[in-house]
Amino acid sequence: EVVLTQSPATLSLSPGERATLSCRASQNVGSYLAWYQQKPGQAPRLLISDASNRATDIPARFSGSGSGTDFTLSISSLEPEDFAVYYCQQRSNWPRITFGQGTRLEIK
Amino acid sequence: QVQLVQSGGEVKKPGASVRVSCKATGYPLNTYGIIWVRQAPGQGLEWMGWISAYNGDTNYAQKFQGRVAMTTDTPTNTAYLELRSLRSDDTAVYYCARDIPGYDNDYWGQGTLVIVSS
Repeated sequence: EVVLTQSPATLSLSPGERATLSCRASQNVGSYLAWYQQKPGQAPRLLISDASNRATDIPARFSGSGSGTDFTLSISSLEPEDFAVYYCQQRSNWPRITFGQGTRLEIK
Repeated sequence: QVQLVQSGGEVKKPGASVRVSCKATGYPLNTYGIIWVRQAPGQGLEWMGWISAYNGDTNYAQKFQGRVAMTTDTPTNTAYLELRSLRSDDTAVYYCARDIPGYDNDYWGQGTLVIVSS
């Protein structure tokens, strides 16, 4: 099983600041890495596909990078609605996907 | 537009079974797959398994083998998750999501809360 480790567990920032979230895979997943945003009481929302491709209607302030085992989600200038929990997900051994444990982005 | 609409919340006793439905609208369910993911209170996302709505092939997470069943019904465009021998630690929100080979999960159901309590 591919294990995804996200860091930090919690990130405290202010609106307007830049956020950088990390996801590390226990083995090479190529570019088969996605990022999801989840707000309380809501289903996950796809943000980034294939490590770096923004999903439909996702604002340009969200960007993804990386390949192999190290990946990053960046939010260039935080808006109030961006404070949520973020999960990475790999599908390199589809259909047996796995998720990271999540990073909580909270308002400082 | 594409939507996945799940059934309502359930309260079950330990040892019982639960069946959660996931009705697809806006596309034919049998063209792609469905994954089921659960989230215990305050916890992260856990993949439970996958079903091909095209041919019924399934792939379940090891921890649920033997007490989970995923099925689809083409005429009603609905996918089902059945979980048997429920325990208190099965209390969670259960999500379905569309699964297209080669793509990430773009559409999700709203979630179904299952509470297991005596």
